Order: sequence, then structure tokens, then C-alpha cells
Amino acid sequence: AQSVTQLDSQVPVFEEAPVELRCNYSSSVSVYLFWYVQYPNQGLQLLLKYLSGSTLVKGINGFEAEFNKSQTSFHLRKPSVHISDTAEYFCAVIYTGGFKTIFGAGTRLFVKA
Amino acid sequence: GAGVSQTPSNKVTEKGKYVELRCDPISGHTALYWYRQSLGQGPEFLIYFQGTGAADDSGLPNDRFFAVRPEGSVSTLKIQRTERGDSAVYLCASSLIGTSGRDEQFFGPGTRLTVL
Repeated sequence: AQSVTQLDSQVPVFEEAPVELRCNYSSSVSVYLFWYVQYPNQGLQLLLKYLSGSTLVKGINGFEAEFNKSQTSFHLRKPSVHISDTAEYFCAVIYTGGFKTIFGAGTRLFVKA
Repeated sequence: GAGVSQTPSNKVTEKGKYVELRCDPISGHTALYWYRQSLGQGPEFLIYFQGTGAADDSGLPNDRFFAVRPEGSVSTLKIQRTERGDSAVYLCASSLIGTSGRDEQFFGPGTRLTVL
């Protein structure tokens, strides 16, 4: 079955430290990959997406992600986090030719002062 | 411009009752999606509309769930004979075209359904 695994349910980190949120998906067939962010009491918002081309994708708020086809991963990174980055982050995949978005269970990023 | 709106924001009902959840997509968006998000989980796909028709309803859990989009804009998710397990946040999203899966989906704030 198609699935997305976010390896960490919670990631606490100090302000200005780097962070990596991990994401793996279940199949190596052609995919579109997404990261969404959900700030407290707000709706889901697209952070970045990989459709094709360069495997390093840059998004909003200084985040980037790297698509690794051989490892079926799409890890999210930020070199220096801020308190305002505290939120829930969801990795998602759409298998090309389909419409169904499959989400991971989410990673709660908690940035401490 | 206005984003995706969902009403009501909260709905409390009793087991066995019928509920309707409404989604108003962004004007001009032809694709509309419904998801269900249980506590501590990511959104779970329910159904996708392209215009008025349901292009993929494979995520609907059983025949108690039904969704319509009669004029290709507003959509209603209908749940019959609600069960306590239906308690979740129901999310709606829309995208401009959606025919390839590549388009950004814009999410509404969700309707929190509680079945007592």
C-alpha cells in the first residue's frame, strides 16, 4: 500500500539551530512530493513541492527539501530556525497520474528560546 | 481574495444522526478535495471533484459518506447514521485545475465534528 512515513513525531530544537524533518514514501515510482505546514489554529499551507527537475527544492520561510529517489526520501531542512517556526509539518505524496494526496502523520517542531 | 471557507466550524451531534458539512472553494477553482484528519494523524483523502463530478471517491470509508458538488463550486459532505468513530476534523481544499496533481491545494480551516 502507498504510504508516507515521517520518522519523528516531535522534534524539539533551540532557536537558531539547524533542523531536519525526515520523510520517506513507500514506492519508487514517479511521484510529486510536498511539505505542508500547519501553524497553531491555522489551516494547512504549502511550504514547498517537488514536481520534476532539480532535486533540491526551496520553499517559503527559508526551508528547503531534497528529493532522493533511490532512498525514496524527501527530507525537509532549515539551517537556522526561529520561534515562529513552531508548527506541525506534514509530508505528502501524489503518485503521478493520480489525484489522491497521501499525507504522513506529521512532525511537531517545537523551537525553544 | 477570499480563501476556502468551511461551515460550520464546529459540529456536535449524537450517534445515529445525519450531518452535512459545507465547503466554499476559492472562486474559479475547478478541483475540490475532502480530507478527514483524526487526532494525531495527517489528513486522510476522502474524495476529489473535478468540476461537478467525483473523479476519485476511493477514500470514502463506507456508504454512510457521500459528497456532492452540483454546480461545480460549493460542495457538501454528507454523513448518515454518524458513529463515534466519525469524530474528526474534516478539511476541504481546492486547486485551480487539478487534472495532474501538480497544482497547489489551498486548504480551509476545517470543520471539527464531534459525535457523542
